[in-house]
Amino acid sequence: GQQVMQIPQYQHVQEGEDFTTYCNSSTTLSNIQWYKQRPGGHPVFLIQLVKSGEVKKQKRLTFQFGEAKKNSSLHITATQTTDVGTYFCAASYNFNKFYFGSGTKLNVKP
Amino acid sequence: GAVVSQHPSRVICKSGTSVKIECRSLDFQATTMFWYRQFPKKSLMLMATSNEGSKATYEQGVEKDKFLINHASLTLSTLTVTSAHPEDSSFYICSALGGNEQFFGPGTRLTVL
Repeated sequence: GQQVMQIPQYQHVQEGEDFTTYCNSSTTLSNIQWYKQRPGGHPVFLIQLVKSGEVKKQKRLTFQFGEAKKNSSLHITATQTTDVGTYFCAASYNFNKFYFGSGTKLNVKP
Repeated sequence: GAVVSQHPSRVICKSGTSVKIECRSLDFQATTMFWYRQFPKKSLMLMATSNEGSKATYEQGVEKDKFLINHASLTLSTLTVTSAHPEDSSFYICSALGGNEQFFGPGTRLTVL
């Protein structure tokens, strides 16, 4: 299947610090979604990006889709302990199925 | 948000037996459901796309005769692991597509002895 590279694999931050995870594809995407999975839980949808250069915000979370629609990022401002979990991007090439990145596990120290 | 259930949550079986896993969308209809496999501390690997009323489409490297998928109604998709072997032990998770979002089930932990 298609491959989506996601970095970093792990990120340990102090509460209040910022956090960013990146996803890259060698092929142009139709759309990309972001999910959060808490330990022991299942992935929960955060957002979908469709347009080239799109930027969406959800409170402290900022999602970007690259101009070429080959990369995306999720940035969290001033992390809190409730942000702990693994963040996955899920990339689609034809709007009808999704390939998950390897995930970035975020740990926030209080 | 919408709710997707999976049953069973855990199953232990002997090598050579078959196991059926059910994925149900409880409060919405889903023409498309997805089946993933997740290894410990790893990402979700797409196995197949389940389409109501038609054959599932499988990802490269996934044996369709081993992982039988049936999407007989708009609220139910089943995955049957046939002639299971220890290497099939894994966490299987389904999702149902509602609008733009995938709503995930809680997953099924399969252990093959």
